[in-house]
Amino acid sequence: GESVGLHLPTLSVQEGDNSIINCAYSNSASDYFIWYKQESGKGPQFIIDIRSNMDKRQGQRVTVLLNKTVKHLSLQIAATQPGDSAVYFCAENLNSGYSTLTFGKGTMLLVSP
Amino acid sequence: DAMVIQNPRYQVTQFGKPVTLSCSQTLNHNVMYWYQQKSSQAPKLLFHYYDKDFNNEADTPDNFQSRRPNTSFCFLDIRSPGLGDAAMYLCATSHRVDTQYFGPGTRLTVL
Repeated sequence: GESVGLHLPTLSVQEGDNSIINCAYSNSASDYFIWYKQESGKGPQFIIDIRSNMDKRQGQRVTVLLNKTVKHLSLQIAATQPGDSAVYFCAENLNSGYSTLTFGKGTMLLVSP
Repeated sequence: DAMVIQNPRYQVTQFGKPVTLSCSQTLNHNVMYWYQQKSSQAPKLLFHYYDKDFNNEADTPDNFQSRRPNTSFCFLDIRSPGLGDAAMYLCATSHRVDTQYFGPGTRLTVL
């Protein structure tokens, strides 16, 4: 059968709180970054992206921050809702001329009502 | 709605029995990808097609093959599935350097 999976880092928050999920990326040459949300049994769903010439980008209830100096990416979710409960992956594109992503390990977000 | 479709959603096969997973897209993207994802792990890229050009990851076992007969369809063939191949298989598409969009995945069980 399937090999035993690793334990994901978990962030537990209360409904209505703001959540911050962090990601350290690996390659200083990466020029494009994406956050994906993956619910149990489903494929990853695009949330927000950012290019390396920016340090902040905002979407609906979500903000991505990029710190290239320390190779750090974060996803902020405002007013977290139970429907936000999922695993969140960051991914980096290694500037290969087209989209070849390397995924981070993932963080599980648990939102309590 | 434009989307990435995977069939079947659940596939059960026997040890060593070949299996084919299917992916189709209505996005008209020129790049299609296959990932393997095991429990509590990140998706792992197996290979991708840029138009008709096939690009295999260095650590993808020979047991895994792919076909892309046209822009819309891409297949993952597992020639002799082992117990360690049980996983979620994800198809994704992109238009060159843009965002990858994922299908819902096929959960493969090997008995």
